[in-house]
Amino acid sequence: QKEVEQDPGPLSVPEGAIVSLNCTYSNSAFQYFMWYRQYSRKGPELLMYTYSSGNKEDGRFTAQVDKSSKYISLFIRDSQPSDSATYLCANSYGNNRLAFGKGNQVVVIP
Amino acid sequence: GAGVSQSPSNKVTEKGKDVELRCDPISGHTALYWYRQSLGQGLEFLIYFQGNSAPDKSGLPSDRFSAERTGGSVSTLTIQRTQQEDSAVYLCASSSGQGPYEQYFGPGTRLTVT
Repeated sequence: QKEVEQDPGPLSVPEGAIVSLNCTYSNSAFQYFMWYRQYSRKGPELLMYTYSSGNKEDGRFTAQVDKSSKYISLFIRDSQPSDSATYLCANSYGNNRLAFGKGNQVVVIP
Repeated sequence: GAGVSQSPSNKVTEKGKDVELRCDPISGHTALYWYRQSLGQGLEFLIYFQGNSAPDKSGLPSDRFSAERTGGSVSTLTIQRTQQEDSAVYLCASSSGQGPYEQYFGPGTRLTVT
C-alpha cells in the first residue's frame, strides 16, 4: 500500500465550477499536509500546506484535513482555465522527505 | 531570484549507458532532494542532502543509482547501466531546511532510455 493514495483519474469541469480533489494516507505519523500544482513540463509548485485538522483558505483554494479518517481534500472555487494542471497531494513526517499521491489532472473548460 | 535549475532538460540514451543529471539549487539553500516522476508511479523520493550530514539514500531503487553534492551546492545524480524502466522525469528540489513545505522544484530532466 502506498503511503498516499490519490485516484489519478482526470477531471474536466466547466469554468466557474467547484473542483474537489482528495487523498487518503496510511501513516498517522504524517505531520504536514501539502497540495502542489504542476503545469505540463514544469516542476511542482506549492499551493498550500497545513499541519492540523480543519480548513485552511487561500483565495479560491481551500485545503481540508481530517486526521481521524486520514483524509485530505482540496477545493477550488470559481475555477478558471488557468487552473488546468495536475494537482498532487503530499505528506511529510517532518524530516523533510515528501510522500506524494499520483496526482489528478484537472481541465477547466472555458 | 533564480530558481532551481536542472540540466539537461531532455536526455535520450541507449540501454546500458551511464547518465549524469545535474541540479543547481537556489543559492543558500542547505537541503537538496531528488525525486523521480514516472507514469503510473507518481512522484517518488530518491535521496536527500542536508548540509554536511550523511545523505538519506533510502529512496534509491538500486545500486545503479548514486548522487553526490559537491561543496554543499550543485548535485549530480548518476544512473549506471541504464534500463528502460529508468525512463522518467527526474526532479530536483531545494529548501532552506525550515520545513518540508517549502521545497522549490526545478523543471526536471526527462530521461528516455531506448
